[in-house]
Amino acid sequence: ETGVTQTPRHLVMGMTNKKSLKCEQHLGHNAMYWYKQSAKKPLELMFVYNFKEQTENNSVPSRFSPECPNSSHLFLHLHTLQPEDSALYLCASSQSGDTQYFGPGTRLTVL
Amino acid sequence: AQSVTQPDIHITVSEGASLELRCNYSYGATPYLFWYVQSPGQGLQLLLKYFSGDTLVQGIKGFEAEFKRSQSSFNLRKPSVHWSDAAEYFCAVGEGNKLVFGAGTILRVKS
Repeated sequence: ETGVTQTPRHLVMGMTNKKSLKCEQHLGHNAMYWYKQSAKKPLELMFVYNFKEQTENNSVPSRFSPECPNSSHLFLHLHTLQPEDSALYLCASSQSGDTQYFGPGTRLTVL
Repeated sequence: AQSVTQPDIHITVSEGASLELRCNYSYGATPYLFWYVQSPGQGLQLLLKYFSGDTLVQGIKGFEAEFKRSQSSFNLRKPSVHWSDAAEYFCAVGEGNKLVFGAGTILRVKS
């Protein structure tokens, strides 16, 4: 596999469920990102990790919990979400400060 | 704080016609500037970027963009649009690990 991959591509969950989104990058980068893309809103940066350390949390509610076990993998753990959390969640990676490369996204629907 | 404005929400052009998508940014220093394209249900693909040097930047798929400091603009152009160019286009300004995106411009191509 090349580039940035994300699984699953689609996810439907109830408000009481717990699920996780996975992102993997095969580019040798040291920074990884989570973005949220909602309809009719600009892309919102959620979290940034540099060398596995979280360096940015853009006031994201605690029902979103990121995890970065190594520079190639990034997870977003989801629990007790709200319908307004339905969106496309995009993962990206970069060498610090350089161009970000995006995965295909996970389309999340919260019922 | 940085901001990016894409004044056109939708643009429709005929196949074979030229295209210009507008982008204006607000940033104190010399910005890093990017154009990404997103097809429906997909992630963002990098079209081109400007970091420094020549203000006319060539990208993939026949796109180019020109950085104009005096106008705080980074407009995207293509001399002849193909039906496959129909997508949403995002301009972004970067500082360190942060990217700030515009709201996007949806391009429709009519045959």
